[in-house]
Amino acid sequence: KAGVTQTPRYLIKTRGQQVTLSCSPISGHRSVSWYQQTPGQGLQFLFEYFSETQRNKGNFPGRFSGRQFSNSRSEMNVSTLELGDSALYLCASSLDSQRVTDTQYFGPGTRLTVL
Amino acid sequence: AQSVTQLGSHVSVSEGALVLLRCNYSSSVPPYLFWYVQYPNQGLQLLLKYTTGATLVKGINGFEAEFKKSETSFHLTKPSAHMSDAAEYFCAVSDQSNFGNEKLTFGTGTRLTIIP
Repeated sequence: KAGVTQTPRYLIKTRGQQVTLSCSPISGHRSVSWYQQTPGQGLQFLFEYFSETQRNKGNFPGRFSGRQFSNSRSEMNVSTLELGDSALYLCASSLDSQRVTDTQYFGPGTRLTVL
Repeated sequence: AQSVTQLGSHVSVSEGALVLLRCNYSSSVPPYLFWYVQYPNQGLQLLLKYTTGATLVKGINGFEAEFKKSETSFHLTKPSAHMSDAAEYFCAVSDQSNFGNEKLTFGTGTRLTIIP
């Protein structure tokens, strides 16, 4: 079974630009969660999509948005990039993130550098 | 609200020695507890989790952790370290009463180095 894939793996952007990151979950998984990982703030939850609906959202500004398609693939978009957006963005998929019996599987992440 | 503290941002052990990574949590309600591992340039992988029942939890790669309510701890151990265990380890906590990924609180991580 293929794991969670994220594209691209590395991105370099400049301040003010926008960026779109993609995540393909494990086949059959309907829940996709996004996290931001930085040395200073650690792992922070961005949002979660389940069956094409945003079910939960973390404490991030509206510049961070996402969506999920009918095949469960998800994208996240960051507009008007700031230097502080430089981070590893992780995607995780599970059957249903609200069930502790389900395990979430992480992708390798997209490393975003904002110059 | 929960919080989790991982004591020691860096831990070094010799190959074959005991691995002990410390995690203490703060929660006003019964918690779910997790340990994740992150290898370089990879995402997180679940090692083990405590939900209910047996307080000694066995995970993958020979790791185990024991939930000690009286000490509010969930330390991760492995009897004999292997070079392949070098990675960063994250402890995480969530309330049992209202679980969801969005409610997971992660620790700041412990980088484990194995000395040949």
